Amino acid sequence: SAVISQKPSRDICQRGTSLTIQCQVDSQVTMMFWYRQQPGQSLTLIATANQGSEATYESGFVIDKFPISRPNLTFSTLTVSNMSPEDSSIYLCSVEESSADTQYFGPGTRLTVL
Amino acid sequence: GQQLNQSPQSMFIQEGEDVSMNCTSSSIFNTWLWYKQEPGEGPVLLIALYKAGELTSNGRLTAQFGITRKDSFLNISASIPSDVGIYFCAGRSGANSKLTFGKGITLSVRP
Repeated sequence: SAVISQKPSRDICQRGTSLTIQCQVDSQVTMMFWYRQQPGQSLTLIATANQGSEATYESGFVIDKFPISRPNLTFSTLTVSNMSPEDSSIYLCSVEESSADTQYFGPGTRLTVL
Repeated sequence: GQQLNQSPQSMFIQEGEDVSMNCTSSSIFNTWLWYKQEPGEGPVLLIALYKAGELTSNGRLTAQFGITRKDSFLNISASIPSDVGIYFCAGRSGANSKLTFGKGITLSVRP
């Protein structure tokens, strides 16, 4: 399976600022996703990161708040913009290989907004 | 929308015991995945199931894809303290459809 790394692993940010999270995969993958996991909750899909085009956002998530880039098949970024305490969550990068109907997750980025 | 039901929210067992977790849905899924998440980590894929009736093992873990395609279960045999974590089921209803996750079951193992 693909090895996924995320940076930063955790951060504490001030209200109103923005944070960009990076996701790096050790092999080319077809699909990359970004999820949010609020404290004590399950995983919620934010968007699908499309290589070379705009991300596809799920209901309740918008590009202005969560801009996503995917410049190639091994890298993506998620920005959490104009943060508020409600954005405090774990943000997870996930990948899916076209050869296998499974998704693998990165270690997550733990964000606390004060 | 599609939902996956996992209950109870928490389970407490004694080391050495077997435990079974169920995941149910009102709609049909074509793929079932079981993940484990430990504190401070991302979910780790345990077992993937692709065919109704399929029974797959991974060490002490066994999972089955229900015949009706509306449920799956995960068994852990002879539990050990490192089995502690949150166990999520996830399902996909068709090709190119997104994964739906259950709310997870937190497993505690008493030594």
